[in-house]
Amino acid sequence: DGGITQSPKYLFRKEGQNVTLSCEQNLNHDAMYWYRQDPGQGLRLIYYSQIVNDFQKGDIAEGYSVSREKKESFPLTVTSAQKNPTAFYLCASNSGLSNQPQHFGDGTRLSIL
Amino acid sequence: AQSVSQHNHHVILSEAASLELGCNYSYGGTVNLFWYVQYPGQHLQLLLKYFSGDPLVKGIKGFEAEFIKSKFSFNLRKPSVQWSDTAEYFCAVSNAGNNRKLIWGLGTSLAVNP
Repeated sequence: DGGITQSPKYLFRKEGQNVTLSCEQNLNHDAMYWYRQDPGQGLRLIYYSQIVNDFQKGDIAEGYSVSREKKESFPLTVTSAQKNPTAFYLCASNSGLSNQPQHFGDGTRLSIL
Repeated sequence: AQSVSQHNHHVILSEAASLELGCNYSYGGTVNLFWYVQYPGQHLQLLLKYFSGDPLVKGIKGFEAEFIKSKFSFNLRKPSVQWSDTAEYFCAVSNAGNNRKLIWGLGTSLAVNP
């Protein structure tokens, strides 16, 4: 079955440490997205990529970095510069057309030790 | 800037009650409209979408939504809810131009009592 795989499901970070969240899709989608979900705040866009080797900042990109070296992969690195990283992170993809829905992974819950 | 407003943050209903969740957006151009649902412990999934044609759209599990352009609204409805409809519901909007980002509402948490 086609879909989006996020790993790990749970991740713990020590102060001052960078961590990378994995997102892989086998839907042949051009566009991929990273969101952060906090209680009562809905989904906020961190970064998105509409094509390989290109990506744009979303609304809350500070303290995060991404790469898009392959169509199927869009890893997110939470750097030590992100002062409040505890959240639920969601990866999504779609064909890139504005009327096409986004497909979501199961998410990664990041916590600070 | 575009924004999406969901009127109710928490809704509690009894089974068989009717449901209407409000969603309003602020953007004057052509839009694509979505409702997503997140069941407990599951990933976000599409409930229904509108991008053209009949403003009354039907989705999965008996849900429907009506696009009223003059009111900038896209309210979600279901005539009779079930306990299994307990979930978080999100309204999202994208403009039909070059900006392909989705703008999300804050979500509505629905609890249906058996």
